[in-house]
Amino acid sequence: QQQVKQSPQSLIVQKGGISIINCAYENTAFDYFPWYQQFPGKGPALLIAIRPDVSEKKEGRFTISFNKSAKQFSLHIMDSQPGDSATYFCAAARPPGNKLTFGTGTQLKVEL
Amino acid sequence: EPEVTQTPSHQVTQMGQEVILRCVPISNHLYFYWYRQILGQKVEFLVSFYNNEISEKSEIFDDQFSVERPDGSNFTLKIRSTKLEDSAMYFCASTPGRGGTGELFFGEGSRLTVL
Repeated sequence: QQQVKQSPQSLIVQKGGISIINCAYENTAFDYFPWYQQFPGKGPALLIAIRPDVSEKKEGRFTISFNKSAKQFSLHIMDSQPGDSATYFCAAARPPGNKLTFGTGTQLKVEL
Repeated sequence: EPEVTQTPSHQVTQMGQEVILRCVPISNHLYFYWYRQILGQKVEFLVSFYNNEISEKSEIFDDQFSVERPDGSNFTLKIRSTKLEDSAMYFCASTPGRGGTGELFFGEGSRLTVL
């Protein structure tokens, strides 16, 4: 199965709060899990990524948590800011190439 | 900062017409991709291209689609006879290598509207 399931579809968070987006996959051949951020009218831009041999990766306010046995991974945005308002896509890539399978996206709105 | 550029930003065409979408990948990148995003839906893989040939393509990428690298800088996607369901945002992407890093660099997209 090539699907990557993403939830929630939309999310409203207060400024300073924590945004959490979850993804699940089935294909154990996937070996790289990036998160992309997309602003309206723009292309997706890589935000942060993780490999399955690591359970957590943190870059600034963004953290990926990875649970290999459950085949799930999540994005946590700490101290969410209005500028974080965007659509977030999880994705999975499998060797040998960089073909990405995207999740369905989460529209995040951070309110003042 | 190097970026992937795409033209046109928006094209409106009649059903059955041919459309060519153009992309200039980042100059030292070797692998090129087309993805599409139907309005409000997820981004879907169409095709990957390396060394002047298709590396992989999805089931969406049927005989109506073709890709070409006509010169050292451009990478094009042609749709021979457009259908209503081809209306979408088409994203070009490139990456320096083929390793499974998932680190694709996307352009801003070309919106195709088929009437």
